[in-house]
Amino acid sequence: QVQLVQSGAEVKKPGASVKVSCKASGYTFTNYDINWVRQATGQGLEWMGWMNPNSGNTGHAQKFQGRVTMTRNTSISTAYMELSSLRSEDTAVYYCARAKTGKGAFDIWGQGTMVTVSS
Amino acid sequence: QSVLTQPPSASGTPGQRVTISCSGSSSNIGSNTVNWFQQLPGTAPKLLIYGINQRPSGVADRFSGSESGASASLAISGLQSEDEADYYCAAWDDSLNGWVFGGGTKLTVL
Repeated sequence: QVQLVQSGAEVKKPGASVKVSCKASGYTFTNYDINWVRQATGQGLEWMGWMNPNSGNTGHAQKFQGRVTMTRNTSISTAYMELSSLRSEDTAVYYCARAKTGKGAFDIWGQGTMVTVSS
Repeated sequence: QSVLTQPPSASGTPGQRVTISCSGSSSNIGSNTVNWFQQLPGTAPKLLIYGINQRPSGVADRFSGSESGASASLAISGLQSEDEADYYCAAWDDSLNGWVFGGGTKLTVL
């Protein structure tokens, strides 16, 4: 079946970086964009950015300018999101979500990866 | 502060019809379709409605969406206890060149 499986929980210190992976299966990885959305505990959903696995093109919310990097390895159908200069406010569950290229709806979501930033 | 505005809470009794609103602007809902997501406690969001009023396979036809100008609504008819969840609207924003979400609405089935 179509699914996205994310890497496990991470604990990082302030100032460090975290890299979350999102492995796709059950469909052609390069035919759909991968978006990243995060959710702090008890809070709403926040869109971070998108990546087209075919071209490697990316786009991100202005808030994450200079801190977020989205990459992929098409040979293993895996997308990555790296967030640098972590601060306590980055503590959240990070989700990857599949979408048709060009404003497509997020139809398949990963299970989420908890990232905790604490000294 | 979310770009799209939703009421923080809504409630209804089993069998009732409830609606959840989502207000935006000309750069998002006014020019792009709204998607609705359901998030059950401790789980990832699930796509409920896309393309104004399209439902993915497996989503009950009790769920429906509508749009008018820069606002959208999600309607749930025949309310059931398992509908108790958080609901989010989302739309592409042409000015921000990215997706924006509503703050979410917690639906309680009394």
